[in-house]
Amino acid sequence: DAGVIQSPRHEVTEMGQEVTLRCKPISGHDYLFWYRQTMMRGLELLIYFNNNVPIDDSGMPEDRFSAKMPNASFSTLKIQPSEPRDSAVYFCASRSGLTNNEQFFGPGTRLTVL
Amino acid sequence: GIQVEQSPPDLILQEGANSTLRCNFSDSVNNLQWFHQNPWGQLINLFYIPSGTKQNGRLSATTVATERYSLLYISSSQTTDSGVYFCAASSSNTGKLIFGQGTTLQVKP
Repeated sequence: DAGVIQSPRHEVTEMGQEVTLRCKPISGHDYLFWYRQTMMRGLELLIYFNNNVPIDDSGMPEDRFSAKMPNASFSTLKIQPSEPRDSAVYFCASRSGLTNNEQFFGPGTRLTVL
Repeated sequence: GIQVEQSPPDLILQEGANSTLRCNFSDSVNNLQWFHQNPWGQLINLFYIPSGTKQNGRLSATTVATERYSLLYISSSQTTDSGVYFCAASSSNTGKLIFGQGTTLQVKP
């Protein structure tokens, strides 16, 4: 299995621009999670999906952030408009609801907003 | 919600030494994982261990769920073991992981 795939791996953009991060979960996994890692707050959950449906978005910082999962093999996290404080590493993770609760993480997207 | 605390925050070892990292959690868990974040930022799964003991090469982990702690043992440390070790736990059926602040390990040659 290829594992969780994220793209792009690095993104540099200017304040005010729209940013879209992409994630492909492990095939067969029905839970998908988006996390953010910053020096100040560590690793924190933003939103998660079960069977493509958003279940809990209480960690999404502001309305500028939105996430979608149009099908079982693809999810996006969008920031519009982006701000310098959004600079962080964004991780996507997935797990299977049929086995145990173990989550597997993608390589992350390092976002820099200038 | 559940709280996760790790200790020590920083650890410096000489190559070949052994170490123990600790993770305390505030509630009963149905998921506890240990990760290694390498210098490239990738989160590598080490153990899925909500209870019991597991071993993988030079690494082993023990979770005592009734006392709400988990330990990660690193034996005969190598420079490639350097990085940040995270403990993460979940107490809900959703599997939402709450991460500790990590232990930064530096292994010197």
